[in-house]
Amino acid sequence: DAGVIQSPRHEVTEMGQEVTLRCKPISGHDYLFWYRQTMMRGLELLIYFNNNVPIDDSGMPEDRFSAKMPNASFSTLKIQPSEPRDSAVYFCASRSVGAHYGYTFGSGTRLTVV
Amino acid sequence: GQQLNQSPQSMFIQEGEDVSMNCTSSSIFNTWLWYKQDPGEGPVLLIALYKAGELTSNGRLTAQFGITRKDSFLNISASIPSDVGIYFCAGLAGANSKLTFGKGITLSVRP
Repeated sequence: DAGVIQSPRHEVTEMGQEVTLRCKPISGHDYLFWYRQTMMRGLELLIYFNNNVPIDDSGMPEDRFSAKMPNASFSTLKIQPSEPRDSAVYFCASRSVGAHYGYTFGSGTRLTVV
Repeated sequence: GQQLNQSPQSMFIQEGEDVSMNCTSSSIFNTWLWYKQDPGEGPVLLIALYKAGELTSNGRLTAQFGITRKDSFLNISASIPSDVGIYFCAGLAGANSKLTFGKGITLSVRP
């Protein structure tokens, strides 16, 4: 199993540009989560999906952020327009309802908005 | 909302020493998890705990689920340089609820 795959690993963009982060969850996992990690706030849950349906987006900071999951094997997190304060590491994680309920994280996308 | 408290933010130990980390909450959790994050990577699950009082080991790591269900600890014995990283505790209140993460403890190991 290749694990949770995120792309790109690093993204540098100018303020005002649109940024799209991508995630491929583990096959068979029915939950997908998007997190943001910063030094100040730690790991913050932005949104999560169950069977491709958004369940809770209360962590999405503002309307500039949107997420989609068009099918079980792909999800995107989009920021439009991007701002310097969006600079962070964004993680995708997936989970199946199994014995331990643990999440498997991807390696993250380090976003820098200049 | 639910919060998990981990302190201190950073710990510095000598190679070979044991180290213990606590995680506390004002809320009850039914599952406790401990994750480790290496630099430039995502968190990786180390140990999962499902019952109050449960004590589980994974190599040099031992974790316990507190009797009150409001705390957990992780112990690392005979630390080695590759133990450096950020250690997160996480709690799950129910099967369909979200994981709540602590802010993590950054561990440094001096050779």
